[in-house]
Amino acid sequence: AQSVTQLDSHVSVSEGTPVLLRCNYSSSYSPSLFWYVQHPNKGLQLLLKYTSAATLVKGINGFEAEFKKSETSFHLTKPSAHMSDAAEYFCVVSRLGGKLIFGQGTELSVKP
Amino acid sequence: EAGVAQSPRYKIIEKRQSVAFWCNPISGHATLYWYQQILGQGPKLLIQFQNNGVVDDSQLPKDRFSAERLKGVDSTLKIQPAKLEDSAVYLCASSLTASDTEAFFGQGTRLTVV
Repeated sequence: AQSVTQLDSHVSVSEGTPVLLRCNYSSSYSPSLFWYVQHPNKGLQLLLKYTSAATLVKGINGFEAEFKKSETSFHLTKPSAHMSDAAEYFCVVSRLGGKLIFGQGTELSVKP
Repeated sequence: EAGVAQSPRYKIIEKRQSVAFWCNPISGHATLYWYQQILGQGPKLLIQFQNNGVVDDSQLPKDRFSAERLKGVDSTLKIQPAKLEDSAVYLCASSLTASDTEAFFGQGTRLTVV
């Protein structure tokens, strides 16, 4: 069975400092992994996806994630946080047939 | 291109009442999903359609929830009768095919059951 665990329910950073949102996954086969972002009162937006190509995946708005099979991790990073990055972030694994399985979410706060 | 459209955006009903949500996916997308997102949790799949057929409804509480996609385009999700624990955001998403790795989400319908 596929599942994801987001290790932090809330992360707070200062503007201009690095962001690290942690995600571990469990999958019985080579997974497709995603990060989605959800701003208040807005729909979920895809940040980036890993589908067994390059292990370092670059997404929108300066975010990137690295797939590490040995650690079963897919952590999301950004070198420098902006105020506009404050949102809820979801790590997601895809099951065969397209079903998305979401983690519990990590709320990112950015302090000025 | 136009995104996934959902209506209404907000709905407040009393328990035991019925409610329906509507979703119009992105044009040409064969696969449509309904997710339930309870406050503080990640979205959970309720039902997945491929065209007008159901692919996965294993997590749908079928005693009170129903969904249809009669012409393989628009979809409606109904709850009858509603319970307090149904309070959540109901998200519709679509993708080109079931094997397409990117799903596009609507803004959701926030349901409050009082």
